[in-house]
Amino acid sequence: GAGVSQTPSNKVTEKGKYVELRCDPISGHTALYWYRQSLGQGPEFLIYFQGTGAADDSGLPNDRFFAVRPEGSVSTLKIQRTERGDSAVYLCASRKGENTGELFFGEGSRLTVL
Amino acid sequence: GENVEQHPSTLSVQEGDSAVIKCTYSDSASNYFPWYKQELGKGPQLIIDIRSNVGEKKDQRIAVTLNKTAKHFSLHITETQPEDSAVYFCAASNFGNEKLTFGTGTRLTIIP
Repeated sequence: GAGVSQTPSNKVTEKGKYVELRCDPISGHTALYWYRQSLGQGPEFLIYFQGTGAADDSGLPNDRFFAVRPEGSVSTLKIQRTERGDSAVYLCASRKGENTGELFFGEGSRLTVL
Repeated sequence: GENVEQHPSTLSVQEGDSAVIKCTYSDSASNYFPWYKQELGKGPQLIIDIRSNVGEKKDQRIAVTLNKTAKHFSLHITETQPEDSAVYFCAASNFGNEKLTFGTGTRLTIIP
């Protein structure tokens, strides 16, 4: 497709389980971002990749959260030992290059931790 | 770090009237200010952005103004239409720093 693709669109899991969320950015976009959006709030920055490397992971809330982008395209956000407070919509965005600020967001993965 | 405050949280406007949403930011190093529109079940979509070297930018019915001294910027939508109903987010960043900080959002409802 032409846009940012995120899977799954919905994930329900139990407290303590491991979760992976996948993001497929727009082809050719070098930068990739993960944001988290809680109900009624704005997106909250988690991590930013330029190519394969995490250029800024200062938004990851704790060491249960980890993200990879091994080939500079698809990215996976991994959450270990999920907690109820992790419930949110996880948004992925990509950006074409350094001279444009526009982020193209996917529709998000809604995570519910029971 | 940057803190962005946004007001109002909800706004109802009669179709055809104008809507104004205001944001303030805290970091004087911020120089990039985009506005995103989010419809239900969708990701945010950029509608307009402004850099700190200009005070105003317009795109058809949408305009953004920036006051660097006061550290605030506003979104203006004129001749509102039902399809303008959505949640709008302001954001700020230092363009060299990729971390975009969002406001808490404004739910805009256009009353037909």
